[in-house]
Amino acid sequence: SAVISQKPSRDICQRGTSLTIQCQVDSQVTMMFWYRQQPGQSLTLIATANQGSEATYESGFVIDKFPISRPNLTFSTLTVSNMSPEDSSIYLCTAQGTTNEKLFFGSGTQLSVL
Amino acid sequence: QQQVKQSPQSLIVQKGGISIINCAYENTAFDYFPWYQQFPGKGPALLIAIRPDVSEKKEGRFTISFNKSAKQFSLHIMDSQPGDSATYFCAASMYQGPGNTGKLIFGQGTTLQVKP
Repeated sequence: SAVISQKPSRDICQRGTSLTIQCQVDSQVTMMFWYRQQPGQSLTLIATANQGSEATYESGFVIDKFPISRPNLTFSTLTVSNMSPEDSSIYLCTAQGTTNEKLFFGSGTQLSVL
Repeated sequence: QQQVKQSPQSLIVQKGGISIINCAYENTAFDYFPWYQQFPGKGPALLIAIRPDVSEKKEGRFTISFNKSAKQFSLHIMDSQPGDSATYFCAASMYQGPGNTGKLIFGQGTTLQVKP
């Protein structure tokens, strides 16, 4: 199984600032995704991180607010821009191995915006 | 049509009992149905998954039952233990080729408490 490391694990940020979350996978993966889990809620897909090209965003999420990079097969970043208290959530990076269908999750980044 | 509806929202079971969580979907194009377990402060961990070509899959104390005609699937946890206390999510997606089960649509989650 792929091991996914996310940094930071948690942060408290001020309104109007931006935070970049890093996701590192210990092996090459085909697909990487970013999910959001609002307090006490389920998981919602933000976007698919495409290697070497622009991410594919889901309805309700835009690149200006959540810019994503994926420079290689094992690394991706998600930036939460111009933050507001409504952005307080857990942000989760996920990855899918090249040889199987299982989707692995990192421990997430707990973000609180004051 | 993209929703996955999960019930119950919370569940309390005595140690040794059977925990049952149900999910329903509308999109008949879904063909991959995983269950995830999440402990507080942790990311979800894949428990077990099923494809529509089988009606049941068992791994240890965890069993998925799948009813294609009813568009429903459920997770059964046999001999439930206090260590099973966690939030459980069902999900669904459309298989898109080797190493790509596509985007997961998650249910709302069920908080399970197993009493000693």
